[in-house]
Amino acid sequence: AQSVTQLGSHVSVSEGALVLLRCNYSSSVPPYLFWYVQYPNQGLQLLLKYTSAATLVKGINGFEAEFKKSETSFHLTKPSAHMSDAAEYFCAVSYSGGYQKVTFGTGTKLQVIP
Amino acid sequence: DGGITQSPKYLFRKEGQNVTLSCEQNLNHDAMYWYRQDPGQGLRLIYYSQIVNDFQKGDIAEGYSVSREKKESFPLTVTSAQKNPTAFYLCATSGAGGFRELFFGEGSRLTVL
Repeated sequence: AQSVTQLGSHVSVSEGALVLLRCNYSSSVPPYLFWYVQYPNQGLQLLLKYTSAATLVKGINGFEAEFKKSETSFHLTKPSAHMSDAAEYFCAVSYSGGYQKVTFGTGTKLQVIP
Repeated sequence: DGGITQSPKYLFRKEGQNVTLSCEQNLNHDAMYWYRQDPGQGLRLIYYSQIVNDFQKGDIAEGYSVSREKKESFPLTVTSAQKNPTAFYLCATSGAGGFRELFFGEGSRLTVL
């Protein structure tokens, strides 16, 4: 079984401040991990993915995430928030082989305060 | 442009009516998925299909039906048996082989009046 927990359904940061969105996973096999972003009334867009290569993964729009097996975490960070980062972010877990079942977290809405 | 097209974007229906949401893709992806999104609940899988003429139930298939007659198309019907159909519906696809990320359409918002 696999699951994802995102801590904090809403996070507020000031423009220019560090963004940290937390994600912890549970998986019985080595996982693939993803972060997706969703703007209002739109579909999801992939920000970055971990597929067992480098543990520090860089994505689009200046975001990055670090896979920490010992902590079962895959937190998303960005050094300096921009107004355009305001959106909802979803962490997801999957694993290789057969049908690709993807389990999503419940999402974190990021508010950026000017 | 390559991508996934969902229609309609917004849909209103009266209780007791069936509605069909369209999902068309030109990415040549084998697998297609339907997710339901409700505030605070993330995405929940309704149905998925890995090949034409084959599909499987996801976690919340009751009250929904699908077909996969063409590789490009995976329509979702929300039937009158679905007790709480008001939601945002997302279609996604993924390609073949190894690890596969999901590609999403823009979504369809269904409101039952």
